[in-house]
Amino acid sequence: GENVEQHPSTLSVQEGDSAVIKCTYSDSASNYFPWYKQELGKGSQLIIDIRSNVGEKKDQRIAVTLNKTAKHFSLHITETQPEDSAVYFCAASMNYGGSQGNLIFGKGTKLSVKP
Amino acid sequence: ETGVTQSPTHLIKTRGQQVTLRCSSQSGHNTVSWYQQALGQGPQFIFQYYREEENGRGNFPPRFSGLQFPNYSSELNVNALELDDSALYLCASSVRTYGYTFGSGTRLTVV
Repeated sequence: GENVEQHPSTLSVQEGDSAVIKCTYSDSASNYFPWYKQELGKGSQLIIDIRSNVGEKKDQRIAVTLNKTAKHFSLHITETQPEDSAVYFCAASMNYGGSQGNLIFGKGTKLSVKP
Repeated sequence: ETGVTQSPTHLIKTRGQQVTLRCSSQSGHNTVSWYQQALGQGPQFIFQYYREEENGRGNFPPRFSGLQFPNYSSELNVNALELDDSALYLCASSVRTYGYTFGSGTRLTVV
C-alpha cells in the first residue's frame, strides 16, 4: 500500500523567511496530493492541492511542486507570517473513475514562525 | 468556516464501553471518510462511505463500524473501547474528485 514520508518533523523560521516541507510517496498510482494546515481547535484546512498532470501550482504565498519521476512533492511558503505557525500535513491518494480515494497522510511538520 | 460539523468535541469513556461519534457533512457531499489521529501522528484512514455503502476500509478491527445517512450525516461507532483508541477522530466529506473538507474532530479519551 501507499506510504508517505514527511520531513522535517519540526521547522522554525524567522518571519519573512521561506519554509519548505518535503514529502515522498511510494505508490506511483497516486495522483492527488493535498496539503492540510491543522491548528488547535480549528480542524484541518486544505490549503493547496495538486494533481499528477501538473508539476507546480501556486496560490499567493503558497506553492506546491510535484516530481512524479522521483515520487516527491513539496510545499513552499514564502514571506512567512506568525499566523502560518501550525502543523502541516501532506497526503496522497488515488482518484479513479470520478471516485475519491482515501488519503494517506504524512506524520506532519510543526512549523513555528518567530516574529 | 468548515462545512463539516462533528459532535461532540470532547468525550471521555471507560475501557470496554461503546461510543458513537457524529458528523454532519455539507449538502451534496456523497463521500464521507473517518480518520483516527493519535497524538503527534498523521491521520489514519478508518473507512469511507459512498452513497451509504462502505467502499473502503483501513487497517482497523471490526469493532470500528460506521453508517452514512441520506441527509449527508454519518456516524462512527466503536465497541469495546481500548486505551489505545484515545485519539482525535476526524470526519471528512467530499464530492466525487474534489478535495476533502475536514471537520474539527472529536477528541476521545479512554480511561
